[in-house]
Amino acid sequence: KQEVTQIPAALSVPEGENLVLNCSFTDSAIYNLQWFRQDPGKGLTSLLLIQSSQREQTSGRLNASLDKSSGRSTLYIAASQPGDSATYLCAVNDAGGYNKLIFGAGTRLAVHP
Amino acid sequence: DTGVSQDPRHKITKRGQNVTFRCDPISEHNRLYWYRQTLGQGPEFLTYFQNEAQLEKSRLLSDRFSAERPKGSFSTLEIQRTEQGDSAMYLCASSFGRGYGPYNSPLHFGNGTRLTVT
Repeated sequence: KQEVTQIPAALSVPEGENLVLNCSFTDSAIYNLQWFRQDPGKGLTSLLLIQSSQREQTSGRLNASLDKSSGRSTLYIAASQPGDSATYLCAVNDAGGYNKLIFGAGTRLAVHP
Repeated sequence: DTGVSQDPRHKITKRGQNVTFRCDPISEHNRLYWYRQTLGQGPEFLTYFQNEAQLEKSRLLSDRFSAERPKGSFSTLEIQRTEQGDSAMYLCASSFGRGYGPYNSPLHFGNGTRLTVT
């Protein structure tokens, strides 16, 4: 059974820092991995989707990498800003049910001025 | 693109009552998903539609839960005889996919319906 773990559970950093959020999954047979952002009381916003054949994806200050064989992904946020404060979730689309995502519990990020 | 719309945003109900939620996906999206999220956890998959066909259901979806997507447009999720353990955020998402293979386009989520069962 696929399990997704995110470390750390919470992170507080000063504005301007570069930071790394970690995601690990137990079964490497995945189709893709997706990173989302969730603001309090809101739905999820897709940030980056990495296909199983890809190693990384970039969007603006965000860069996500995927190492399928080791079951790991990282989300790198450059030059963090207070507006980046949110919960970041990773999810895998695996061979066990290819039209459903299995989510981690998220990393709650606070960027203070 | 007006995004995925969910109604109502909040619902408070007494234990034992029935509730129904509605989701309007992005118009050109043929795939629709329901997820449930409790505080401090990631969303858990409930069910998936491709057009009007319900193709996958989680074991989380007990016989008190039913979902429909008539005509392949909006969807409804009904919970009968609600229990306090049903209290959660119910999220709808949509995407576009060709054929029946794994989705490879990002999911677009609505803002959810928060259900509180007293």
